[in-house]
Amino acid sequence: EAQVTQNPRYLITVTGKKLTVTCSQNMNHEYMSWYRQDPGLGLRQIYYSMNVEVTDKGDVPEGYKVSRKEKRNFPLILESPSPNQTSLYFCASSLSRTGRSPLHFGNGTRLTVT
Amino acid sequence: AQSVTQLDSQVPVFEEAPVELRCNYSSSVSVYLFWYVQYPNQGLQLLLKYLSGSTLVKGINGFEAEFNKSQTSFHLRKPSVHISDTAEYFCAVSAPRDNYGQNFVFGPGTRLSVLP
Repeated sequence: EAQVTQNPRYLITVTGKKLTVTCSQNMNHEYMSWYRQDPGLGLRQIYYSMNVEVTDKGDVPEGYKVSRKEKRNFPLILESPSPNQTSLYFCASSLSRTGRSPLHFGNGTRLTVT
Repeated sequence: AQSVTQLDSQVPVFEEAPVELRCNYSSSVSVYLFWYVQYPNQGLQLLLKYLSGSTLVKGINGFEAEFNKSQTSFHLRKPSVHISDTAEYFCAVSAPRDNYGQNFVFGPGTRLSVLP
């Protein structure tokens, strides 16, 4: 089954403790992206990647890192999480970079930073 | 840069009644348009998309949307809703970025509540 898989689904951590949220897609998509969803703000893009070793900042990149060492994986790293990073995070992928291809989303990771 | 407005944050409607969820966008370039649905505790699923051609597009679950270029709108409609349509709906636009990649911009979402 074609899918985007995120782990974990729920994560509670404390300020400053490094964490990684994993994302993997099995559709051979070139494009992958991370979003955060906050009430009333919709989805905002954190980082995106066009292909292996090619990443760039989205609209809200501060406090986040990403890497794309393999085409299928795109982990999100929070080196020193803070409470304002408490949010619902989504990984997404699409076939191409032209804008015509819809995004396929994972089921989300709900992060709480205390 | 693109932006998306969804004027209604919440829309309550009775079961079997029609519904329209409004979406307006602004962009200096041609864009592609999408509607996504998010059920509780799930990711976003594609409902329908407009890429080109006929301005009336049909999607899954009986939804349709009409692209109006002059009004820069892409409203979502369903003639008769069911309880199972209760969810959050997001309008999105996308366009190629200058360097590479695509820029997907999402609206703030509309929460549709279908009442028995």
